[in-house]
Amino acid sequence: QLQLQESGPGLVRPSETLSLTCNVSGGHISTTNYFWGWVRQPPGKGPEWIATVYFSGRTHYNPSLKSRAITSVDTSKNFFSLMLTSVTAADTAVYYCTRLEWVTYGMDVWGLGIMVTVS
Amino acid sequence: SALTQPPSASGSPGQSVTISCTGTRSDVAAYSYVSWYQHHPGQAPKLIIYEVTKRPSGVPDRFSGSKSGNTASLTVSGLQAEDEANYFCSSYGGDNMFYVFGTGTELTVL
Repeated sequence: QLQLQESGPGLVRPSETLSLTCNVSGGHISTTNYFWGWVRQPPGKGPEWIATVYFSGRTHYNPSLKSRAITSVDTSKNFFSLMLTSVTAADTAVYYCTRLEWVTYGMDVWGLGIMVTVS
Repeated sequence: SALTQPPSASGSPGQSVTISCTGTRSDVAAYSYVSWYQHHPGQAPKLIIYEVTKRPSGVPDRFSGSKSGNTASLTVSGLQAEDEANYFCSSYGGDNMFYVFGTGTELTVL
């Protein structure tokens, strides 16, 4: 069964770059039917879609992040990553990596999430 | 912007409760790609409805979805204690906003 696991720092300084990695196990990232995505949920708020990436490198981003987010995929090592530049306290959230099925647009696999605090 | 959900909903065991998810003509109204997720604290969110009405394997038929215009709905019938969780919707948004989530609804089983 496919599993996703986020990794990265739990604390980032304001104005620095947040870097997260999502390791894919139990399946291969080079699967034609799926996008790989990032979602975050600030404390006490609803989830927010950040970005998705296809194994080919094709990406989609949330316009509200104003080009601060960059996502990429490494098919040889079976992981994908997220960088978020110039972070502020508003970027404090639980960050999840997900698998998004292309045909249904449902996120059918989620990681457990990683809490990132900007302070 | 985010899809609008009521912040809270509640019902007694055995009852039914419906949660709404209001979007725009650019997302919920335009596409049949509304999904619903169940999220228990400390766990990974779980997909319970996709393509407005479909349930993934293993999701009880007590969970059902529907859509009318720019508003989608999730109905939980025969409420059980384990249904107490946060529920949020999502929709494909096309080229401008590829994906958008709802604000989330905290469901309490009284």
